[in-house]
Amino acid sequence: EDQVTQSPEALRLQEGESSSLNCSYTVSGLRGLFWYRQDPGKGPEFLFTLYSAGEEKEKERLKATLTKKESFLHITAPKPEDSATYLCAVRRWGGSEKLVFGKGTKLTVNP
Amino acid sequence: DADVTQTPRNRITKTGKRIMLECSQTKGHDRMYWYRQDPGLGLRLIYYSFDVKDINKGEISDGYSVSRQAQAKFSLSLESAIPNQTALYFCATSDGANTGELFFGEGSRLTVL
Repeated sequence: EDQVTQSPEALRLQEGESSSLNCSYTVSGLRGLFWYRQDPGKGPEFLFTLYSAGEEKEKERLKATLTKKESFLHITAPKPEDSATYLCAVRRWGGSEKLVFGKGTKLTVNP
Repeated sequence: DADVTQTPRNRITKTGKRIMLECSQTKGHDRMYWYRQDPGLGLRLIYYSFDVKDINKGEISDGYSVSRQAQAKFSLSLESAIPNQTALYFCATSDGANTGELFFGEGSRLTVL
């Protein structure tokens, strides 16, 4: 069964303090790994898709990387507006439309 | 206006009542989805639709039904609500080319007493 485990569950950073969120996955034939951001009271917002080990994507202060077993979301010099819950999801070949989501990492960036 | 609109945003109901959650989208996407989000369990797929004639069950479809009234409208029904269906429900769309890139509505919070 496909599984996605995100760590830590919660992370508090000071503004400017860089760190990384982890997404470990078990899937038979990865078709894609996806990162989303979710603000309180809102629906998730798509950030990145990664397809193969070694791939990297960047957007502003965020950089996502992928290996054969895990993905990292690196946050460089975060700002308070980066505070949100970050969700990781995977999709496998032959898995129809099913995205398997992790439980998320709640990030709080203090000014 | 939001690209994916859900109504109602909040609903409190009683066990045994029939409930419908509605979703409409202006993105022009063919694919639409209903997800459920529970604390500690993450997002889980209830139903999805590739077009108005194509409806598919997700991983937790028991107790739910859906209707795709038009390309832009996808509704979720609970025929006889029970307390463990209390959750946050999200509608989402995708364009089919990058089906992991979903566009979510703002959610419908349902409480079943």
